[in-house]
Amino acid sequence: AQSVTQPDIHITVSEGASLELRCNYSYGATPYLFWYVQSPGQGLQLLLKYFSGDTLVQGIKGFEAEFKRSQSSFNLRKPSVHWSDAAEYFCAVGLKTSYDKVIFGPGTSLSVIP
Amino acid sequence: NAGVTQTPKFRILKIGQSMTLQCAQDMNHNYMYWYRQDPGMGLKLIYYSVGAGITDKGEVPNGYNVSRSTTEDFPLRLELAAPSQTSVYFCASSNDVLNTGELFFGEGSRLTVL
Repeated sequence: AQSVTQPDIHITVSEGASLELRCNYSYGATPYLFWYVQSPGQGLQLLLKYFSGDTLVQGIKGFEAEFKRSQSSFNLRKPSVHWSDAAEYFCAVGLKTSYDKVIFGPGTSLSVIP
Repeated sequence: NAGVTQTPKFRILKIGQSMTLQCAQDMNHNYMYWYRQDPGMGLKLIYYSVGAGITDKGEVPNGYNVSRSTTEDFPLRLELAAPSQTSVYFCASSNDVLNTGELFFGEGSRLTVL
């Protein structure tokens, strides 16, 4: 069955430090991949997406992610974290079955130390 | 521009009661989705719809029902509420999510079943 895993439940980084959030997926074909962010009490906002082509994709708020087919991974990175980046981050896979649907991973909670 | 509107934002139910969570979008999107979010579990897809009159089950449909009589509205019905249905529910919409990559989310409805 298709699945999305995010090995880190919670990560704490210092402001200004670099960040990498891990995501692995299980899916037979090349998937559609997304990263979403959820600020406290809010809905989800799309950070970036990968469909095909260049495996390094740029998103909003200075985030980027790299698709590695050999590792079935789509890790999210940011060179320098800001306090406002504290939020819940979700990796997701888009599935092209009878109808299009998006399956989410369990999420990684990011805390930022001033 | 309202986007995706969910009502109510908060609700407390007693075991065995029924209720409907309302979702409306004004973006003329064909696809609409209902997710539930539980701590450490990410978002689980309950039901989705690809257009008026067409719905399908997601990952966790038991205990829920949906209908889609218009493009704009996608209500979620809970029959015989159970404590396991205590969760935050998110409605989302999209037009061709696997090409655009973006789900538009409502602000969520927090349901407690006691």
